[in-house]
Amino acid sequence: AQSVAQPEDQVNVAEGNPLTVKCTYSVSGNPYLFWYVQYPNRGLQFLLKYITGDNLVKGSYGFEAEFNKSQTSFHLKKPSALVSDSALYFCAVGPTSGYSSASKIIFGSGTRLSIRP
Amino acid sequence: EAQVTQNPRYLITVTGKKLTVTCSQNMNHEYMSWYRQDPGLGLRQIYYSMNVEVTDKGDVPEGYKVSRKEKRNFPLILESPSPNQTSLYFCASSFRTANTGELFFGEGSRLTVL
Repeated sequence: AQSVAQPEDQVNVAEGNPLTVKCTYSVSGNPYLFWYVQYPNRGLQFLLKYITGDNLVKGSYGFEAEFNKSQTSFHLKKPSALVSDSALYFCAVGPTSGYSSASKIIFGSGTRLSIRP
Repeated sequence: EAQVTQNPRYLITVTGKKLTVTCSQNMNHEYMSWYRQDPGLGLRQIYYSMNVEVTDKGDVPEGYKVSRKEKRNFPLILESPSPNQTSLYFCASSFRTANTGELFFGEGSRLTVL
């Protein structure tokens, strides 16, 4: 079965420190991978995606993510956290094979990132 | 401004009273989808549409209906709401497919069924 796991419900980081939000996936074939962010009382916003090519993907607001095929991971990173980065982060995977693969992406359960001043 | 608009944003209703949550996008996107968000479960897909008059079930379609008569609109219908449909609902759209492109989300509709 295809799935996405975000092992941490919450991540706490001091402002200015690097941050990592973890994501692992299980999907047949080569996956398409995404990160979305949700601020309070808002819809999800696209941060970045990996389709193919360079394993390090750069996205919005200074975030980046590294695709690691051997570890089936796609961790979200930022070198220096800001208080304004505090939000709910979702990892998602887009299947590339199987019935109706074009019709969906599968979301993880989300990780709440809290940046303290 | 490119956007996905959902209405209502907040709704409290009673069991069995039919309701519709509207969704409209102004980006000429082919793909649209409905998700529900529940604590600890992430987002689960309810229904999706690859184009006008083309809809299909997602992972949790029970108790919901959709239609796609026009490209821009994709309403979610709860014919007989029940308390287990209390949730936060999101409509999303994408230019062509869900698994490769960026999904654009509405602001969400928080539904409470008493």
